[in-house]
Order: sequence, then structure tokens, then C-alpha cells
Amino acid sequence: KNEVEQSPQNLTAQEGEFITINCSYSVGISALHWLQQHPGGGIVSLFMLSSGKKKHGRLIATINIQEKHSSLHITASHPRDSAVYICAVRSPNSGGGADGLTFGKGTHLIIQP
Amino acid sequence: DAGVTQSPTHLIKTRGQQVTLRCSPISGHKSVSWYQQVLGQGPQFIFQYYEKEERGRGNFPDRFSARQFPNYSSELNVNALLLGDSALYLCASRGGLAGVYEQYFGPGTRLTVT
Repeated sequence: KNEVEQSPQNLTAQEGEFITINCSYSVGISALHWLQQHPGGGIVSLFMLSSGKKKHGRLIATINIQEKHSSLHITASHPRDSAVYICAVRSPNSGGGADGLTFGKGTHLIIQP
Repeated sequence: DAGVTQSPTHLIKTRGQQVTLRCSPISGHKSVSWYQQVLGQGPQFIFQYYEKEERGRGNFPDRFSARQFPNYSSELNVNALLLGDSALYLCASRGGLAGVYEQYFGPGTRLTVT
């Protein structure tokens, strides 16, 4: 069963700061997702990665398959980035079923003006 | 195009009752997965259905069951509700099973068991 660990659990930063959220997992995967969850519950998929790096606006996600580690970066952070960021992995033997995801507990990010 | 939809949005039940939650995937998506998210935790995988067949099941008791209909919509049923079943239930759909397919989440159904 894949174990997914995120750090930090909570992060408070000032507007404009560069943010890094880390995710590590214990077993090889086929894909890693970074998700954003706002109060109220709805989840938005930010990135799906299997290798390398992806960028979308101010968000950058990287993954190192050999080290079983991924990072999510936010440049020029803004109060509207305040949310819970969740890392999730997919692998056939993750314990998440044939196609289910195994999730980290999330990082609660607050960006203060 | 509509995203993943779920109903109802909120639900309050008492212990011992039964509940049915509904999910409509994105048009054309044949895979539906269900997740339970307890407050303060990450979601936990419950079921995955693809082409109306169960493809995976998480570590949940038999009180939890699901099915997928010919139009690929899905229902999650929970019998004999316990207080610990109070959670946000999320549905997600994918276009296929291969790793290239992105997963899209619905807004969730918040279930409170009293």
C-alpha cells in the first residue's frame, strides 16, 4: 500500500512569497496529482504528472520518480491561493483499487495580504 | 460542457438509516470513482466503476455498495449509518483507465449522521 506524506501540514505566508509544498510516496506510481480544495469541499485538479515538470500560470509542479518525491511551487503568492493542497498518487497496487487514488492529508495554505 | 455533478449537496440522516448518493460524470466519461473525506483528512478511495463493472474497492465495510448505470451515472449506497460515516463524499470521473486520463472531481455531498 502506498503511503503518501505531505509537508508542511500548515503554512502561512505573506502575499508575494514563493511557496513550496512537498509530497513523498513509498511505492512506484503511474501518475501523481496535485489538487486544490477550497472551503466548502470542491476539489480542482491542478496537475497530473508522471515525469519531469509542468507549469500553469504561477503554479509549477515537479516530480522525481527515482526519489519518489514531488513538489508544488506557487510564485508571487496571492490571498486567493489560500486553500488546501492535496497530493494524490495512482498505482495498481496502491490500495486505492484498480484505478483509485491514494491521497495525502493535505497542506493548509494561508496567504496573508 | 457540464462537469461532474453530485446530488444532494447536503444530507442529514440518523444512525441506522440508509442513504443513496448520486453522481453524473462528465459526458463521455465511463469511469466513476467514489471517495470519502472525513474532516481534516485526505479523501479515501471507496469504489471505482468502469463500463458498469466494479474495478476496485477500498477498505470499507459491506454496508457500502455502489452501482453504475448504462448512462454511466452512479449511485453510492450506505446502509446502517454510523456516526463515523459523517463525511464529504466525492465522486470523480475519467475518460478511460489509462494513465493519460485526467480525473475530474464533483463538488461532493456532505453527509451528517446524528
